[in-house]
Amino acid sequence: DAGVIQSPRHEVTEMGQEVTLRCKPISGHDYLFWYRQTMMRGLELLIYFNNNVPIDDSGMPEDRFSAKMPNASFSTLKIQPSEPRDSAVYFCASSPRRDYGYTFGSGTRLTVV
Amino acid sequence: DQQVKQNSPSLSVQEGRISILNCDYTNSMFDYFLWYKKYPAEGPTFLISISSIKDKNEDGRFTVFLNKSAKHLSLHIVPSQPGDSAVYFCAASAHNDMRFGAGTRLTVKP
Repeated sequence: DAGVIQSPRHEVTEMGQEVTLRCKPISGHDYLFWYRQTMMRGLELLIYFNNNVPIDDSGMPEDRFSAKMPNASFSTLKIQPSEPRDSAVYFCASSPRRDYGYTFGSGTRLTVV
Repeated sequence: DQQVKQNSPSLSVQEGRISILNCDYTNSMFDYFLWYKKYPAEGPTFLISISSIKDKNEDGRFTVFLNKSAKHLSLHIVPSQPGDSAVYFCAASAHNDMRFGAGTRLTVKP
């Protein structure tokens, strides 16, 4: 298995633009997580899915953020409109369980100027 | 609400010496603890874990110690090598939940 695949690796966009981050989880993993890494807060859980259904989105900072998982092999995290404070590294992870066995993707480094 | 805390954002040690990374947690329901290692431009990868029924788990140069009464765990790396330079995340899990600390950046100097 190629692991968790995220795209793009780097994204630079202007404030106000829409940004879409993509993730392909490991086949057979029922859980998919979106995390954001910042210097101040470390790894923050934004949202997670179980069997393609969003379970907990309490970490999504505001309505500008949305996430979807239309099928078991694909998820997106969208920011519209983007703001400079959204600049961070965004990780997707998948796991067979909620509490163990996370595999992370390589992340998307987002810069909003 | 940070249930898992890594109070040292950075640590620098000399090659060959011991590195000790610390982690504190507040939720007594956590029963499984993990350390992840992250290199630049890569995602975190699993390093070592410990169940709450144990107080020590060793894997080569890496040992994790758990003190349940103090709600504290630590990762020891002996001897430290320059290739160990990375960000280390502590994580704690309970049924249906897992939380990460903010990370500690370890630098091992040759």
